[in-house]
Amino acid sequence: AQRVTQPEKLLSVFKGAPVELKCNYSYSGSPELFWYVQYSRQRLQLLLRHISRESIKGFTADLNKGETSFHLKKPFAQEEDSAMYYCALSVFNTDKLIFGTGTRLQVFP
Amino acid sequence: NAGVTQTPKFQVLKTGQSMTLQCAQDMNHEYMSWYRQDPGMGLRLIHYSVGAGITDQGEVPNGYNVSRSTTEDFPLRLLSAAPSQTSVYFCASSPRATGSTEAFFGQGTRLTVV
Repeated sequence: AQRVTQPEKLLSVFKGAPVELKCNYSYSGSPELFWYVQYSRQRLQLLLRHISRESIKGFTADLNKGETSFHLKKPFAQEEDSAMYYCALSVFNTDKLIFGTGTRLQVFP
Repeated sequence: NAGVTQTPKFQVLKTGQSMTLQCAQDMNHEYMSWYRQDPGMGLRLIHYSVGAGITDQGEVPNGYNVSRSTTEDFPLRLLSAAPSQTSVYFCASSPRATGSTEAFFGQGTRLTVV
């Protein structure tokens, strides 16, 4: 079965510290993975997708098929990064986007 | 540039009442979906639609009905509300059902069933 696991409910760091939000997936096919972010009182929005191999707001995420992971990383956290982060898996040919349970990132000054 | 619009933003219902959560998008997207967001459970797919006249069940469809008579609108109906349906509901749309396309979300509807 397809599954996305985010083991941390809450991650707290100080400004300037490195951040890694973990995401593991279970999927038999070739995965398409995303990170979505929800800032306070804002709607959920796409942060980045693995196929683009891009860096958005200093965040990067690398797909590791051997470890079935898609961890989100940022070398120096900023206070404005505080938000809820969701990892999501697009399931080929089933029209579904499966989300993990989310990780709340708190960045303290 | 409206995007995905949900109404209402907040709603309180009594157990057994019915209501419809509205969702409209102006981007001519074929794919639309409804999620509920609960603490510790993330977003769970309720129903989805790949085009006008086509709907299908997601992970947690019980207690909810949907229809898709137009490309723009995808209402979610609660026929007999239960306290277990207290949640935040999100509607989303995307130009394609799968693949590396972005899903656009509405601002959410916070529903409380008492």
